[in-house]
Amino acid sequence: GENVEQHPSTLSVQEGDSAVIKCTYSDSASNYFPWYKQELGKRPQLIIDIRSNVGEKKDQRIAVTLNKTAKHFSLHITETQPEDSAVYFCAASKSGNQFYFGTGTSLTVIP
Amino acid sequence: DAGVIQSPRHEVTEMGQEVTLRCKPISGHNSLFWYRQTMMRGLELLIYFNNNVPIDDSGMPEDRFSAKMPNASFSTLKIQPSEPRDSAVYFCASSSLTGPRIDTQYFGPGTRLTVL
Repeated sequence: GENVEQHPSTLSVQEGDSAVIKCTYSDSASNYFPWYKQELGKRPQLIIDIRSNVGEKKDQRIAVTLNKTAKHFSLHITETQPEDSAVYFCAASKSGNQFYFGTGTSLTVIP
Repeated sequence: DAGVIQSPRHEVTEMGQEVTLRCKPISGHNSLFWYRQTMMRGLELLIYFNNNVPIDDSGMPEDRFSAKMPNASFSTLKIQPSEPRDSAVYFCASSSLTGPRIDTQYFGPGTRLTVL
């Protein structure tokens, strides 16, 4: 089955700096890669996603890149703000199937 | 749309009691997922349904756990008998097998279960 690895497990950045979280996957048939943000005591919420026919996607301060050959994808957050502090999960899936989640990255943005 | 609805939001019960968690997926969605989240084990998939049919229940911990989806708008996760190690937050999520947001899972608010 699919195996998703996520790094780093914790990340601290100064407000205004950029944050990068990386994930690798093992199943070359995976074609959907979402990123979720989970604040303490809240549900995971989708922040951005990318499908295998696209190499990069951007939404304001958030971007995701996908390298299908190397089987890795990354989340980039620019101009970080304290409200970006949360746990971020990556996932990989094949259409119609379950998500395989990474183990999460706890991001702290220091004011 | 109200999003995924879960009930109860909090449940405190004693060891040995039966617990039933409920989920109403987003209208029109035809995939439903049950997850369990703990600090130690992270986010675990327990079971998922496509078109009300269980597809993969390999994540269900043991026979004490069972899940049903009698129709497209309702699912239950039952634990009988409950044990303290079942204490966790249980999330339900739903997605669509078709359309522009195919496969995107939307999570409910979760049920925080405490077994004493």
